[in-house]
Amino acid sequence: AQSVAQPEDQVNVAEGNPLTVKCTYSVSGNPYLFWYVQYPNRGLQFLLKYITGDNLVKGSYGFEAEFNKSQTSFHLKKPSALVSDSALYFCAVRARDDKIIFGKGTRLHILP
Amino acid sequence: EAGVAQSPRYKIIEKRQSVAFWCNPISGHATLYWYQQILGQGPKLLIQFQNNGVVDDSQLPKDRFSAERLKGVDSTLKIQPAKLEDSAVYLCASSFAGPPANTQYFGPGTRLTVL
Repeated sequence: AQSVAQPEDQVNVAEGNPLTVKCTYSVSGNPYLFWYVQYPNRGLQFLLKYITGDNLVKGSYGFEAEFNKSQTSFHLKKPSALVSDSALYFCAVRARDDKIIFGKGTRLHILP
Repeated sequence: EAGVAQSPRYKIIEKRQSVAFWCNPISGHATLYWYQQILGQGPKLLIQFQNNGVVDDSQLPKDRFSAERLKGVDSTLKIQPAKLEDSAVYLCASSFAGPPANTQYFGPGTRLTVL
């Protein structure tokens, strides 16, 4: 069965510093991987996805994620954090013939 | 482009009452999803429609939850009777039909509180 793990409930980063939000997955076959962001009282907003090809995926708001097949990871990164990046981030995985599975989320706090 | 619309945004009911949520997907999106997001957890898929047919409802508690998508556009999700553990945010999402890698676009959600 497929699964996704976000090992950190919360990540604190100083404004201007690089940030990383971790995600690991387990799926049979080639995975489709997604990152979504959720602001208070809002639905999820799509950030980026990996389907195939280049392991480094660039997305919205300056975010990027690196697909690492050997480590089964898809960590979200940004070179310089903004206070406005503070939100709840969800990683999701989908196998070709299965439903999408979301992680439990990581709350990102960017400290001014 | 208009996003996914949901109503109501908030609903408070007593246990054993019934409730219904409405979703209007992005125009042209054939696939529609309903998710349940319990506080502190990620969204869990309840049901997926392709046009007006059900693709996956394996995680839908069918003894109390029902959903329909008449005419392949709008959808309603109903809970009858509600239980305390149904308190959650109910998210609707839509996507173009086709590959599973298609991006899902989410509505703002309906926050349900069952007392």
